[in-house]
Amino acid sequence: GAGVSQSPSNKVTEKGKDVELRCDPISGHTALYWYRQSLGQGLEFLIYFQGNSAPDKSGLPSDRFSAERTGGSVSTLTIQRTQQEDSAVYLCASSLNLGTGPYEQYFGPGTRLTVT
Amino acid sequence: AQSVTQLGSHVSVSEGALVLLRCNYSSSVPPYLFWYVQYPNQGLQLLLKYTSAATLVKGINGFEAEFKKSETSFHLTKPSAHMSDAAEYFCAVSDGGRDDKIIFGKGTRLHILP
Repeated sequence: GAGVSQSPSNKVTEKGKDVELRCDPISGHTALYWYRQSLGQGLEFLIYFQGNSAPDKSGLPSDRFSAERTGGSVSTLTIQRTQQEDSAVYLCASSLNLGTGPYEQYFGPGTRLTVT
Repeated sequence: AQSVTQLGSHVSVSEGALVLLRCNYSSSVPPYLFWYVQYPNQGLQLLLKYTSAATLVKGINGFEAEFKKSETSFHLTKPSAHMSDAAEYFCAVSDGGRDDKIIFGKGTRLHILP
């Protein structure tokens, strides 16, 4: 079947604008993760969804960042009032978490966000 | 808190030479450890993972890693580098708990010299 997909692949926006990034996880995967990858900084955990549980938002860098997952499938990461420091590649991953892990996370190709 | 440290943001090896990418971890509980690879303009792909079954773990594309508790290390090796191995490699750690949150290192970019 299809892997994790993300859209758009590239997004250029002006400082102060809002952006929405979309993630379609692998069908049937219960867990979904968002990461941010900045040059030389590795992967920064942003948020985690598991089934119907409340999401773990501990990695969101500010209240300008939010995410939702509708129907336990598609997720949207929203960044309001974008700043230049938000420029990065945003990666989404999904996994089939059925209990105690670890479970392999499958990554999408990412969305490259550039804030001008 | 868990963390990983990857020594060297860039490593260059000649084609056919040994590849050694270093990773040290910190964890208060027995860790699960991973190596992921990211080829240019692609997402991350799992190379191998350690889950306490065997200390020497074999992965895809001829890579392997050895868990050494005494050294808190999980270095990645490949006997003979190939041009197609040029990519960025990430070491990661998890406590395997319900949330399965994985903490990634900052990555090591591997360059293969002809």
